[in-house]
Amino acid sequence: GQQVMQIPQYQHVQEGEDFTTYCNSSTTLSNIQWYKQRPGGHPVFLIQLVKSGEVKKQKRLTFQFGEAKKNSSLHITATQTTDVGTYFCAGPGQAGTALIFGKGTTLSVSS
Amino acid sequence: DVKVTQSSRYLVKRTGEKVFLECVQDMDHENMFWYRQDPGLGLRLIYFSYDVKMKEKGDIPEGYSVSREKKERFSLILESASTNQTSMYLCASSRQGNQPQHFGDGTRLSIL
Repeated sequence: GQQVMQIPQYQHVQEGEDFTTYCNSSTTLSNIQWYKQRPGGHPVFLIQLVKSGEVKKQKRLTFQFGEAKKNSSLHITATQTTDVGTYFCAGPGQAGTALIFGKGTTLSVSS
Repeated sequence: DVKVTQSSRYLVKRTGEKVFLECVQDMDHENMFWYRQDPGLGLRLIYFSYDVKMKEKGDIPEGYSVSREKKERFSLILESASTNQTSMYLCASSRQGNQPQHFGDGTRLSIL
């Protein structure tokens, strides 16, 4: 069946270092969404990418959607302790009524 | 702002009990979802609903049922709770199926 895979599963960085998580789909996606879940919290929607090759920025976060619309990445520049949490990507399921979530990348940051 | 409210943050039940988890959203969203979240397994979809009285099975529906009698409310039912259903349960809603989802705070359910 359709799958959305994320790597790495865990990443630990020193504060100020950069961080990237990658998302790959087994099928072409009409859009890709990114969510962040803080420790003890619930997933919160960050952004949606729709166009092939699209790049969007939110302050230190840069989101990319691949040309083939099967992969995406989230890059954080100069991480801060407030960036800790689990980052999920999600793409539409083939039936069109539910999202398929990746398993997430958990980021820890030490100061 | 969208508000998704889950009835309990923490719940402790015994094996064999019938358990009800309630979720209410206030933005007139068409779609509602129930997930469980376990360490290392990410978010797994249990059931979703795209309209009142409509439901669709997700990836792990066994041992669960759902009810959507009103648009704003989506209930998850554990027919006969078992210890392997101890988990964090998250409810979400969205305007349409592929649109961004808004999550509730979650219910941490322990089955003893």
